[in-house]
Amino acid sequence: DAGVIQSPRHEVTEMGQEVTLRCKPISGHNSLFWYRQTMMRGLELLIYFNNNVPIDDSGMPEDRFSAKMPNASFSTLKIQPSEPRDSAVYFCASSLTPGGWSYNEQFFGPGTRLTVL
Amino acid sequence: QQPVQSPQAVILREGEDAVINCSSSKALYSVHWYRQKHGEAPVFLMILLKGGEQKGHDKISASFNEKKQQSSLYLTASQLSYSGTYFCGTERESNFGNEKLTFGTGTRLTIIP
Repeated sequence: DAGVIQSPRHEVTEMGQEVTLRCKPISGHNSLFWYRQTMMRGLELLIYFNNNVPIDDSGMPEDRFSAKMPNASFSTLKIQPSEPRDSAVYFCASSLTPGGWSYNEQFFGPGTRLTVL
Repeated sequence: QQPVQSPQAVILREGEDAVINCSSSKALYSVHWYRQKHGEAPVFLMILLKGGEQKGHDKISASFNEKKQQSSLYLTASQLSYSGTYFCGTERESNFGNEKLTFGTGTRLTIIP
């Protein structure tokens, strides 16, 4: 398997612009996670989906952030409008989560390094 | 609330042992350990579930002490490949179902020849 695929790998944009990050999970996995990593705050779980349904979005910073998972093989994280403080590495991860579990071994994608000027 | 990891950083010579601790202020349901090398994505090491079990593979093992609300990661006879930042993630129990997975700020481990 190709692993978790994220695009773009790097994104540089100006404040106020819309940014869309994309993720393709590992085939057969039923859970998908979006994380943000910064030096100051470490690795933060933003949202996670199980069977394409958002289960916990309490980590989403504010209304400027939104995430969708229209099918089992694709998810997006959108920031609109973007701000300099959104600069971070955004990881997508997927896992195969048995029924009744919340979390299992997660496979991370290579990440998207976002810079907002 | 983030779990607290200690130490924040440690430098070892190849072959030495290391212990990384992860503490929570609330009861835990599970503890997850990941390692991240510079510029790369985190990689899964192990999960420990409520029950006080100890897990391990090769020379890396971990314990989970429910009563103390903490977990420890043990690296024995460290190798150069062990260098990286180690994160613990905790799933805390609550009256309304478990809280979401939250990671500590990491422990940077440097192994020198």
